[in-house]
Amino acid sequence: EPEVTQTPSHQVTQMGQEVILRCVPISNHLYFYWYRQILGQKVEFLVSFYNNEISEKSEIFDDQFSVERPDGSNFTLKIRSTKLEDSAMYFCASSESLRDTQYFGPGTRLTVL
Amino acid sequence: SQKIEQNSEALNIQEGKTATLTCNYTNYSPAYLQWYRQDPGRGPVFLLLIRENEKEKRKERLKVTFDTTLKQSLFHITASQPADSATYLCALVPSGGYQKVTFGTGTKLQVIP
Repeated sequence: EPEVTQTPSHQVTQMGQEVILRCVPISNHLYFYWYRQILGQKVEFLVSFYNNEISEKSEIFDDQFSVERPDGSNFTLKIRSTKLEDSAMYFCASSESLRDTQYFGPGTRLTVL
Repeated sequence: SQKIEQNSEALNIQEGKTATLTCNYTNYSPAYLQWYRQDPGRGPVFLLLIRENEKEKRKERLKVTFDTTLKQSLFHITASQPADSATYLCALVPSGGYQKVTFGTGTKLQVIP
């Protein structure tokens, strides 16, 4: 069964450093998403992406964040200058069409020291 | 403001019994509602989707009801098994052209052998 994959599974970085989290969505899906989950808290929407542009973003997704689909398979989330409060699990998801079921990857645990 | 509430306390039930989890929402007009399962350190796994014009949906041992008047969804697992132990998340997708999925905090279910 096709699935969303994410790399790395765990990323440790120093405050102020840039990180790039990578995702490979399900191949025939057209909509891509990033969510985050701070330890012990709920899953929070960050951004959705369709047709090579952001279609919706939350107030969390400020200028420090950016997303890109650099080629036909990868979808990336970049955090330009990480802060301690960026420490969380980051989940990528994809869906076949608008408002279709979103399938989640296993997540990347980001630890900012 | 929009709010999604799930039982914040863990639910412990005996193996073989039916588990019932509740999701209540306020100030929200969802196009549909989803239930996900999340295991520790893993991404949410989609279980069931129910649309605003549907009252009930079933899949194997799972049943979801959706009452848009009460603004409530109930999620049932019949003949529960220890392997059903996990956190169950309620998620709402708004009507209109939005893609943002809003998650509840989840209810932790423990099935005792």
